[in-house]
Amino acid sequence: DQQVKQNSPSLSVQEGRISILNCDYTNSMFDYFLWYKKYPAEGPTFLISISSIKDKNEDGRFTVFLNKSAKHLSLHIVPSQPGDSAVYFCAARASGSARQLTFGSGTQLTVLP
Amino acid sequence: DAGITQSPRHKVTETGTPVTLRCHQTENHRYMYWYRQDPGHGLRLIHYSYGVKDTDKGEVSDGYSVSRSKTEDFLLTLESATSSQTSVYFCAAHSGNEKLFFGSGTQLSVL
Repeated sequence: DQQVKQNSPSLSVQEGRISILNCDYTNSMFDYFLWYKKYPAEGPTFLISISSIKDKNEDGRFTVFLNKSAKHLSLHIVPSQPGDSAVYFCAARASGSARQLTFGSGTQLTVLP
Repeated sequence: DAGITQSPRHKVTETGTPVTLRCHQTENHRYMYWYRQDPGHGLRLIHYSYGVKDTDKGEVSDGYSVSRSKTEDFLLTLESATSSQTSVYFCAAHSGNEKLFFGSGTQLSVL
């Protein structure tokens, strides 16, 4: 049973528009959430994170929103650029989990020029 | 550069043979992890370590063992490789804030 779900395997967006990537979770013990970005033949790299005590965190073009009641988080990229084309993974940590992260299955974002 | 090196980058082996993947880090991270990435599953935790000689199982640990005799090295061993272990393996590490740094991965094919 996947505790972190990314239900959209792929997403295509026009350059300059907003990209919205979604992630749902089931474990109410998750208290810290992260997004990672992965290019082909490379390891994932950290993008942005949010603690459960917040509902929004912003870093440049990237904003993560957390809706705890819905157990849902989203990553907004504005404006989208062709270099943003990558696989995006959502990850979550449960409190007291010995520093383990649970990852979603990823969403392939393609930004069209 | 996250200072994490995985070797080998690619390996083809036969069913039933032992395989060891190596992860080396230069940043003195305390926590180290081995993940596998498969289509539709994302990244799944195999084993992790929270210090030298301190290791524990992740969600998909069957058929795998690990060792960490030095802070900088974390080895993943498949005692007897099976075709279901064909995957991309990633090593990761951090120093306590969950912002994992990943290696570039090892593509393992078990024929």
